[in-house]
Amino acid sequence: GENVEQHPSTLSVQEGDSAVIKCTYSDSASNYFPWYKQELGKGPQLIIDIRSNVGEKKDQRIAVTLNKTAKHFSLHITETQPEDSAVYFCAASKAGANNLFFGTGTRLTVIP
Amino acid sequence: NAGVTQTPKFRVLKTGQSMTLLCAQDMNHEYMYWYRQDPGMGLRLIHYSVGEGTTAKGEVPDGYNVSRLKKQNFLLGLESAAPSQTSVYFCASRIAGVPDTQYFGPGTRLTVL
Repeated sequence: GENVEQHPSTLSVQEGDSAVIKCTYSDSASNYFPWYKQELGKGPQLIIDIRSNVGEKKDQRIAVTLNKTAKHFSLHITETQPEDSAVYFCAASKAGANNLFFGTGTRLTVIP
Repeated sequence: NAGVTQTPKFRVLKTGQSMTLLCAQDMNHEYMYWYRQDPGMGLRLIHYSVGEGTTAKGEVPDGYNVSRLKKQNFLLGLESAAPSQTSVYFCASRIAGVPDTQYFGPGTRLTVL
């Protein structure tokens, strides 16, 4: 099955700086890579996703990059704000699979 | 449109007791999932369903049972609770077909003493 590894497990940045979270996956057939944000006491919520037919996708301050050859993808948050503080999960899936395989999460703290 | 709701929000059980967690979605999604979340271990899939009347095992199914009698509801049962089942449980749903967004509920915090 798929194995998704996520690094770092914790990340602290100053407000205004950028944050990068990296994930690797093992199944070369995986073609869907979402990122979820989980705020304290809430369920995960999708913030951005990318499919394997593109290498990068942006949505305002958030971007995701995908390197299929190396089997890794990354979340980039620019101009971080205190409200970006949360746990972020990456995941991977493929056509024909019924479920997502999640990384173990990164706790991001943005220091005002 | 409430999305995905979970009942109850909190529960404390004694070892050996049973309980059922209810998940409901109003988005007409075919697929529904139950996950547990433990510190440092991310989200682990317990059971899932790809349609009314169908269920399948996930990564950590032991000690749990599920039922999907109605499309909008997915029930997770613990027949004889154990302290190892202390966790936060999340339900999620999504449309059928190609891999796509899963929508999560707010979670149920379960403590087994």
